[in-house]
Amino acid sequence: SQQGEEDPQALSIQEGENATMNCSYKTSINNLQWYRQNSGRGLVHLILIRSNEREKHSGRLRVTLDTSKKSSSLLITASRAADTASYFCATAARVNAGNMLTFGGGTRLMVKP
Amino acid sequence: EPEVTQTPSHQVTQMGQEVILRCVPISNHLYFYWYRQILGQKVEFLVSFYNNEISEKSEIFDDQFSVERPDGSNFTLKIRSTKLEDSAMYFCASSATGQNTEAFFGQGTRLTVV
Repeated sequence: SQQGEEDPQALSIQEGENATMNCSYKTSINNLQWYRQNSGRGLVHLILIRSNEREKHSGRLRVTLDTSKKSSSLLITASRAADTASYFCATAARVNAGNMLTFGGGTRLMVKP
Repeated sequence: EPEVTQTPSHQVTQMGQEVILRCVPISNHLYFYWYRQILGQKVEFLVSFYNNEISEKSEIFDDQFSVERPDGSNFTLKIRSTKLEDSAMYFCASSATGQNTEAFFGQGTRLTVV
């Protein structure tokens, strides 16, 4: 089955540093989405990258997608304590299948003030 | 900013009881979803719903589960006879279309079966 798998599982950095999280998946995708989840809360959509795109930016977020390697990365620049959360990648496999997403296990990011 | 809202935020129920989890998707969205997250585990897809019918469902979504859009705004997940292993956070989501659009999630309902 197709799965997104993030690494590292946990990341601890100082405020102001950059954080890079990686995601790998197994089968062809239509798009890949990144979400943030604060402890015990809902999933906040961060960014969607389509299979024919290689890079997208949104504020301090930069996402890359390499379909040949079946991998994606999420870079958060100039991190803040408020960025502390779990980050998940989720892949949408098929066109016309709705937005059925397969989530990875997530990266727990801690940003120390 | 439009958002998906879910009620209740917490639900405690006895094993064997029926529960209904409620969601109000974003008003102009056409696709609706339920996902669940067992504590410490991945978020798992349950079901997608479009044009008043189920469009996709996972193996988890067995006969004890059902979904309904009883009116123009609500989207519900019913669990007929709850089991201990149904304890999880249940997320509702919606998207404008089914292709290459963001799925927006609600804050979730934490279901505890005792």
